[in-house]
Amino acid sequence: DTAVSQTPKYLVTQMGNDKSIKCEQNLGHDTMYWYKQDSKKFLKIMFSYNNKELIINETVPNRFSPKSPDKAHLNLHINSLELGDSAVYFCASSPGSSGGSEQYFGPGTRLTVT
Amino acid sequence: QKEVEQNSGPLSVPEGAIASLNCTYSDRGSQSFFWYRQYSGKSPELIMFIYSNGDKEDGRFTAQLNKASQYVSLLIRDSQPSDSATYLCAVYPSGFNKFYFGSGTKLNVKP
Repeated sequence: DTAVSQTPKYLVTQMGNDKSIKCEQNLGHDTMYWYKQDSKKFLKIMFSYNNKELIINETVPNRFSPKSPDKAHLNLHINSLELGDSAVYFCASSPGSSGGSEQYFGPGTRLTVT
Repeated sequence: QKEVEQNSGPLSVPEGAIASLNCTYSDRGSQSFFWYRQYSGKSPELIMFIYSNGDKEDGRFTAQLNKASQYVSLLIRDSQPSDSATYLCAVYPSGFNKFYFGSGTKLNVKP
C-alpha cells in the first residue's frame, strides 16, 4: 500500500549514458513533482505536472525530459548523463490542482554518475 | 529568487527539552507553510502545515506563523532522540505554482 513509489532506488552509471527513473502514486493526487536534492541537502524543484499537463519546467538542462502517461505516473528520462547529475531525485505528489497543499515524497533514487 | 532561510545547525538539545526551529522567507505573498522531517538517507516526511497567523498544535509539535515578520517556526516539546533529523521548511508563494525549500536545520537530541 505504498503511497508514492520510485524505481530504481539506486542507479550507478557512467557518463554519457541515458537512464530513466519511474514514479507512481496511488493517492489519487492531481499533481506530481520531480525534485533534485544535492549533497548539501538542498531540495530544488525540477518539474511539476497537473493531471498529465506540464505546469513547471525549471531551468533544467534539456537532457532531462519528464513524461506523464497518466496522472498517477511521472517518469524522468535523462540523456547523456554528466558527473554533476549525481544526486538524489525525489518524486512527490500533492492533492488539488492549484498547488499549495502538502506534498508526499517517494523514497528517492540515488543517482551516481562515474 | 524566493528565499527560504534556515540555520543549518546542528541544533543540539537534551532529551525532554523543547527544540525550536526557525525559518524566514522573503516573499510577503506566501500562502502556505510546511515543515518536513528528513532522516538521513530517507525522504522528507510531512510533519505540519500552517496557513494562518498564530499557532497550530499537533501532539508534541507546534507550528508558529508570523506573516508580518515573515517568520515560521516549529517547536518540538519533550524532544526525543528519535526526533534527531534534518527539518526542512517549505513555503508556497502565491502565483509561482511551486514550493521553495530551505536547506534544513539538523537537530540532535542527546539522551
